[in-house]
Amino acid sequence: SQQGEEDPQALSIQEGENATMNCSYKTSINNLQWYRQNSGRGLVHLILIRSNEREKHSGRLRVTLDTSKKSSSLLITASRAADTASYFCATDAQGGKLIFGQGTELSVKP
Amino acid sequence: DADVTQTPRNRITKTGKRIMLECSQTKGHDRMYWYRQDPGLGLRLIYYSFDVKDINKGEISDGYSVSRQAQAKFSLSLESAIPNQTALYFCATSDPAQTGGSYNEQFFGPGTRLTVL
Repeated sequence: SQQGEEDPQALSIQEGENATMNCSYKTSINNLQWYRQNSGRGLVHLILIRSNEREKHSGRLRVTLDTSKKSSSLLITASRAADTASYFCATDAQGGKLIFGQGTELSVKP
Repeated sequence: DADVTQTPRNRITKTGKRIMLECSQTKGHDRMYWYRQDPGLGLRLIYYSFDVKDINKGEISDGYSVSRQAQAKFSLSLESAIPNQTALYFCATSDPAQTGGSYNEQFFGPGTRLTVL
């Protein structure tokens, strides 16, 4: 069964708005990663947050991690039409395997 | 990512046929993975390999087999394809030693779209 559950499943916003996606997981983790997938293409790594970190930034991306609640959020600020994609969280719990969530489909309208 | 290639990119086959999907990488990574993606289900791990002599089953290995021919090559086989194996298949690589310690960032190929009729 999958570790991560993402919310919302789909999100539609206007260009310039912020987009927030949430990920919940079930077991203890070493780190949590976020990936992006453009339609029908391979996933691309965006950002990694370690279990002892609470917040991390990379450009317009902000990731938070709450290990007590077993949840993470990805915030994309000042969104652009080019941010339209599916976003997946992935947990690295044991043995070097990643467990992916079901993804959030983000649509940014110009 | 041009460093991880998959062939074929698209394949249509019939029930009962044997199919092989191939993955090659020039990243020099030790670890390789095969996933399948179905709409609404995210990615599920089929098999993974941490080096040439290491093969491990993932979450959904039934109906699949793999071969790690070399560090750079990892093939996925469907011995007798069935329609519910219709999906998008991804190969990925990682090497924690190269990407900053124990952190397992993965690099994905472009995917193979497989249709089983």
